[in-house]
This record gives sequence, C-alpha cells and structure tokens, in this order.
Amino acid sequence: NAGVTQTPKFQVLKTGQSMTLQCAQDMNHEYMSWYRQDPGMGLRLIHYSVGAGITDQGEVPNGYNVSRSTTEDFPLRLLSAAPSQTSVYFCASSYGQGLPDGYTFGSGTRLTVV
Amino acid sequence: AQSVTQLGSHVSVSEGALVLLRCNYSSSVPPYLFWYVQYPNQGLQLLLKYTSAATLVKGINGFEAEFKKSETSFHLTKPSAHMSDAAEYFCAVSDRGYSTLTFGKGTMLLVSP
Repeated sequence: NAGVTQTPKFQVLKTGQSMTLQCAQDMNHEYMSWYRQDPGMGLRLIHYSVGAGITDQGEVPNGYNVSRSTTEDFPLRLLSAAPSQTSVYFCASSYGQGLPDGYTFGSGTRLTVV
Repeated sequence: AQSVTQLGSHVSVSEGALVLLRCNYSSSVPPYLFWYVQYPNQGLQLLLKYTSAATLVKGINGFEAEFKKSETSFHLTKPSAHMSDAAEYFCAVSDRGYSTLTFGKGTMLLVSP
C-alpha cells in the first residue's frame, strides 16, 4: 500500500547509544519532515526537507541529524541518545507546496531511552 | 512564527451531543489549516483542511469546521457524537512556505454513553 513507512515501531536505547529511525514514502512527495510527540505538547518539528539534498532545522533539532539523499527516504539519526529524547516520532510527507492533499503521516516510532 | 491554540486539553460529551473543539491561530495572513485525528497508538489521520476556498469545510466522519478570519479561528464541530469519535484531535497550520505544519497541543475528546 502507498504511504509513509516508519521503522522500527518500537525501540529501547541506553543513554549514549546512537540509532537511526527510518522513513520511506512511495508517493513521490517532495516534502518530508520529522516530528516528535510528547504528552501535552502536541507535535513539534525536528527537521524537514523540501527535496533531495535539502534539509533544514525545525523547532527542536538538537541531538538529531538528517539527510535526504533520495526523494523516497528521510532517516533521522540520534547521535547520543538521552532520556529527554524518549518520545513518539512521526515522519510525514506531502507534495510540493504542502497542498492540497495535506500531509501523510507514518504510524510512528515509539522510542524509550533508559 | 505561527502558533496554534487549542482551548481545553480534554472535552467530554455524551453520545449524541454536539461536539465543539476550538482552535485559534496567530497568523495575520490567512494560512492553510488542518484538523487531524489520532486514535490510541496510531498515527495521524487527516479529518479536513481549509485552503482558502469555501470557509465551511466538510470532512470525514461527519465533522466540519468553519474558518473565521475576523476571529482567527477554525473550530471543529460534529452535530452528534458517537463513541467511535473518542480520540485526540489536533489543529495545525501550514508554515515555512507550506512545507511543514505547526500543531496545537491537542484536545482529547471523551464520549460517554
């Protein structure tokens, strides 16, 4: 089925470990972005990309890296995991200009850092 | 930067009652606005969107929202709540040249029999 695929669905890390959250879409969307969801905070933008080779920071980028080598993939890297990065992470994609179909979200990755 | 305010972190209604979830945005220029729903342990599903066409927008599952520029509001309504509507609802506004979204903090809708 077409859509946004995130892997893994669940992950437990130890403080200081690194990992990559994968995000792939097969809708030929130009725009992709990463959000984290925390209770009572809504979703906050971490990093985003408006096309292959172009990325920029969002509201809460510290501790995370991204790259966009292809249109389809937008991985999120945690460099040195901290308990404050315990969260649910969502990847989203959309056509250029972000319209008119809105944004398609993946099913999320639930990350726990101990 | 854009901001979105959702009044009430929790709203409780009885089955069959009117649902009203409030959303106000901060932009001086009418943005594009969205409502998303999230069921437990799932991703976000688009309910409806405003893109500067009709100010009354109809979405899925019987929901609708009205864009009011003078009030900078985009409240979500449904005439009659159903148990299956129990979920968390997020209002969002497009940002950064429409390449990303800014979300409100969410409203949990509780529906009692």
